[in-house]
Amino acid sequence: EIVLTQSPGTLSLSPGERATLSCRASQSVSSSYLAWYQQKPGQAPRLLIYDASSRATGIPDRFSGSGSGTDFTLTISRLEPEDFAVYYCQQYGSSPPVTFGGGTKVEIK
Amino acid sequence: QVQLQQWGAGLLKPSETLSLTCAVYGGSFSGYYWSWIRQPPGEGLEWIGEINHSGSTNYNPSLKSRVTISIDTSKNQFSLRLSSVTAADTAVYYCASRTTVTTPTDYWGQGTLVTVSS
Repeated sequence: EIVLTQSPGTLSLSPGERATLSCRASQSVSSSYLAWYQQKPGQAPRLLIYDASSRATGIPDRFSGSGSGTDFTLTISRLEPEDFAVYYCQQYGSSPPVTFGGGTKVEIK
Repeated sequence: QVQLQQWGAGLLKPSETLSLTCAVYGGSFSGYYWSWIRQPPGEGLEWIGEINHSGSTNYNPSLKSRVTISIDTSKNQFSLRLSSVTAADTAVYYCASRTTVTTPTDYWGQGTLVTVSS
């Protein structure tokens, strides 16, 4: 099973600032099958990025993903008020099981 | 556009069996993998397992002994059964879907809070 470790646990930033979130895998993620999700309270997660760097339909271009192998990054270039949420990474190349990281909360400073 | 609507009992006693069903609207029912994912209150996401239209299943090894995912193609529905529940199974349970085994989860149901308490 691939274990995903996200850091930091919490990121305190102001609107307009840049956010950089990390996801590290315990072993190489096959073919960069790595996704990022945004979750707001009381809602299901929303797919932002798939295949490490491809934006899902309707996702603004301030969200970008990068990385390969065991190290992946989600960058939000300029935080908008609606971007404050919890973000999860997911690997789907080596399953079962599909696995998720523990999440990074982006909060308003 | 796939839409998922789920339902099931929200309060269980320890040792009972959790049962949830998810109905699929839109899209091609035969063209997806249908999943269950859960999230304990205040915690992260855990993938439970999935099934395709042929009935082929994949389960999380950590839950495999207690989980059954089934499908009813005549009703465009799939279901989750989790036996011998304990308080540790208290979570929001989501039904979800992905196109193939090498694509991410892209559609989610609204979630059902299942509480296990004596």
